[in-house]
Amino acid sequence: NAGVTQTPKFQVLKTGQSMTLQCAQDMNHNSMYWYRQDPGMGLRLIYYSASEGTTDKGEVPNGYNVSRLNKREFSLRLESAAPSQTSVYFCASSDRAGGAYEQYFGPGTRLTVT
Amino acid sequence: SQQGEEDPQALSIQEGENATMNCSYKTSINNLQWYRQNSGRGLVHLILIRSNEREKHSGRLRVTLDTSKKSSSLLITASRAADTASYFCATLDRGASGSRLTFGEGTQLTVNP
Repeated sequence: NAGVTQTPKFQVLKTGQSMTLQCAQDMNHNSMYWYRQDPGMGLRLIYYSASEGTTDKGEVPNGYNVSRLNKREFSLRLESAAPSQTSVYFCASSDRAGGAYEQYFGPGTRLTVT
Repeated sequence: SQQGEEDPQALSIQEGENATMNCSYKTSINNLQWYRQNSGRGLVHLILIRSNEREKHSGRLRVTLDTSKKSSSLLITASRAADTASYFCATLDRGASGSRLTFGEGTQLTVNP
């Protein structure tokens, strides 16, 4: 039981390049989330998927797209990377579990855009 | 904008002392959760308190919630060097589009041996 896995762990992009961050969970959770964390700050929600087949914008969606490929996998795509997207990206999943919606996080992807 | 705001931003104590972190939030909540983040790692859930609860314990952790003041506190008793981490509060909003957590900016706790 690996929990939430993310690939890659590190990535350096040049401005204008594109890439996809992958996330998978093996806990059979319905909901999945993408956050970014900038130095000294909390997490800001980019996009989330309440259930397979649905996605919704979070607080900072501009410049990103997502795909909920199936119940296990939720990917985040940067179509044209910008230096402002340099950040650490975290994927998380959760389920209802008594209404708690406790979230389980992956280890993060550290992205640098030059 | 952030729903939760932690106070203090940074806290440095000696091993064995207690650490108290506070969180304030703006809107009504379903529950409030505390997470820990070790340097360079993902967040780990610590404890949850529901809106109809006032206090909750888990091991060396004690969480209180005052919905009238829209605030919560996390107390770590008898702290250890291994407790050094960032601590975040998060409030649960359950809307038509699903449930979302909104995180504060965190308190950086350093426990000196």
